[in-house]
Amino acid sequence: SAVISQKPSRDICQRGTSLTIQCQVDSQVTMMFWYRQQPGQSLTLIATANQGSEATYESGFVIDKFPISRPNLTFSTLTVSNMSPEDSSIYLCSVEEMGRGVTGELFFGEGSRLTVL
Amino acid sequence: QKEVEQNSGPLSVPEGAIASLNCTYSDRVSQSFFWYRQYSGKSPELIMSIYSNGDKEDGRFTAQLNKASQYVSLLIRDSQPSDSATYLCAVISGTASKLTFGTGTRLQVTL
Repeated sequence: SAVISQKPSRDICQRGTSLTIQCQVDSQVTMMFWYRQQPGQSLTLIATANQGSEATYESGFVIDKFPISRPNLTFSTLTVSNMSPEDSSIYLCSVEEMGRGVTGELFFGEGSRLTVL
Repeated sequence: QKEVEQNSGPLSVPEGAIASLNCTYSDRVSQSFFWYRQYSGKSPELIMSIYSNGDKEDGRFTAQLNKASQYVSLLIRDSQPSDSATYLCAVISGTASKLTFGTGTRLQVTL
């Protein structure tokens, strides 16, 4: 199973600022996924990041608000831009094992809990 | 209609009893189904996957799938206090090839 490290684990941010979350995996993976989990809610997929191509965003999420980088097969970043209190959430990085396509068998990082004041 | 629906609970069962968690999904062509467990303040972890109609057993856990009824369930036998968590049902949509999560059922196992 993949080991995923996310930084920061938590942060308190001011309205209007931006924060970048880093996700490091201990093995090469094709697909990395960024989820959001708002308080008491389930997981909502923000985007899928494949190395060497633009991220694919889900309905309701746009690149200007959530720019993603995927410079190599073990690392990705998600930036939450121009934050508002509605962006207060846990952001989770997840991966599937390399080479198996979309299996649904995800490994998750520890999450980044953002609070926007 | 939500793509994946679960009763939010909490579902309270006494220690040693069977906990039954249910999930329905809307996309009739979905092929892959999963149960994730999420402890409070932690990330989800995969506990079961099921792809064919019928039952799949793994230790104290049994996943049941009925594609005709678009219904997935998870049974936990001999429930333990350590099973207290939120259980998320997830489905790969047949058309979108992406994993969609339900809102989760919170399970409380009481002493």
